[in-house]
Amino acid sequence: KNQVEQSPQSLIILEGKNCTLQCNYTVSPFSNLRWYKQDTGRGPVSLTIMTFSENTKSNGRYTATLDADTKQSSLHITASQLSDSASYICVVSPIGTYKYIFGTGTRLKVLA
Amino acid sequence: GAVVSQHPSRVICKSGTSVKIECRSLDFQATTMFWYRQFPKQSLMLMATSNEGSKATYEQGVEKDKFLINHASLTLSTLTVTSAHPEDSSFYICSAREGRTLTDTQYFGPGTRLTVL
Repeated sequence: KNQVEQSPQSLIILEGKNCTLQCNYTVSPFSNLRWYKQDTGRGPVSLTIMTFSENTKSNGRYTATLDADTKQSSLHITASQLSDSASYICVVSPIGTYKYIFGTGTRLKVLA
Repeated sequence: GAVVSQHPSRVICKSGTSVKIECRSLDFQATTMFWYRQFPKQSLMLMATSNEGSKATYEQGVEKDKFLINHASLTLSTLTVTSAHPEDSSFYICSAREGRTLTDTQYFGPGTRLTVL
């Protein structure tokens, strides 16, 4: 069964600190892996997109990595800001389908 | 970037009434639109996929007679929750994609909070 699991489930950090969120997936083969940010009560917004052959992708303070051998991805947030408080969702697209397999999400809270 | 809007953003209705939610792609033509439901602290669950001019494809367990989807144009899809009940209260999110290849990105709307009293 295609699954995408994320850890930790929730995380609290102080403003200015870095953090890393994890994503483990069983979807195989897959065409791409995405990280989304979802603010409370809003729709998800795309942060990064990586194909199965890419190892890393950056978008400002967000850097995603992908290890297709171990089926793991991570999202690193540098110099966190209060506005980073949100849920971060890992999404994997199986090859041959347009559907998204959504991860369980990590709820990040950044405190002043 | 591609923008998807939803209307209304919040709706409160009485049990037994029907509610229509609109999803629009504002700056691109959406070949496919998707409707998701999200319960508190849970991930998005795909309800149905709709292509312009054709019937929607519903996911297993989603009642097509209860959740009516119309994709009348390349920029508009509507979801109607018929005879809504309190258990239908949820956050409904649509997404749209522009291209026809399987890897084209879905752009998500801001969501609609439905509360059924």
